[in-house]
Amino acid sequence: DAGVIQSPRHEVTEMGQEVTLRCKPISGHDYLFWYRQTMMRGLELLIYFNNNVPIDDSGMPEDRFSAKMPNASFSTLKIQPSEPRDSAVYFCASSRGLLLREQFFGPGTRLTVL
Amino acid sequence: AQTVTQSQPEMSVQEAETVTLSCTYDTSESDYYLFWYKQPPSRQMILVIRQEAYKQQNATENRFSVNFQKAAKSFSLKISDSQLGDAAMYFCACGGSQGNLIFGKGTKLSVKP
Repeated sequence: DAGVIQSPRHEVTEMGQEVTLRCKPISGHDYLFWYRQTMMRGLELLIYFNNNVPIDDSGMPEDRFSAKMPNASFSTLKIQPSEPRDSAVYFCASSRGLLLREQFFGPGTRLTVL
Repeated sequence: AQTVTQSQPEMSVQEAETVTLSCTYDTSESDYYLFWYKQPPSRQMILVIRQEAYKQQNATENRFSVNFQKAAKSFSLKISDSQLGDAAMYFCACGGSQGNLIFGKGTKLSVKP
């Protein structure tokens, strides 16, 4: 089975530009999570969805960040406009139900904002 | 609210020796799960071991085992017969009824040949 798929793997952009990160969860998983990892703050949960519905977006840093999940097999995290402090590795993870709560992570997208 | 604390930013172990990574947590939930994830330089997050809080028996996965002390809210990871491939960042995490995980800051493990 394919794991969680993220694209792009690397993104370099200039300050002020719009950035869109993409995620395809594992088929059959009904939870999807977006995390941000930095040296200073570690691994932070940004937002998560259950059955395509956002459940908790309290981790989204500010209005420049938005996330959508139009269907069970696709989600996007958008930053507009991007700033240098947004540079980080962004992970998407998915899980099936609450029974085991194990999350499967994608390979991450390394974002660099110049 | 849940919190997870890893008090050891870095650890080092000699190849073939045993090392223990510490983790303490706090949660108000009665039904929760604890995890250890490994992140090698490839940055892929890999599940190492999982413990259900309602189980008293400590989880074991080959060379990896945990020491789960529920009353003390402690969840340490023991790696036996350490191998060079064990070198990585290790994250402790706690998951509650909402489905989300709270991660600690991580411990960087180095393995010396």
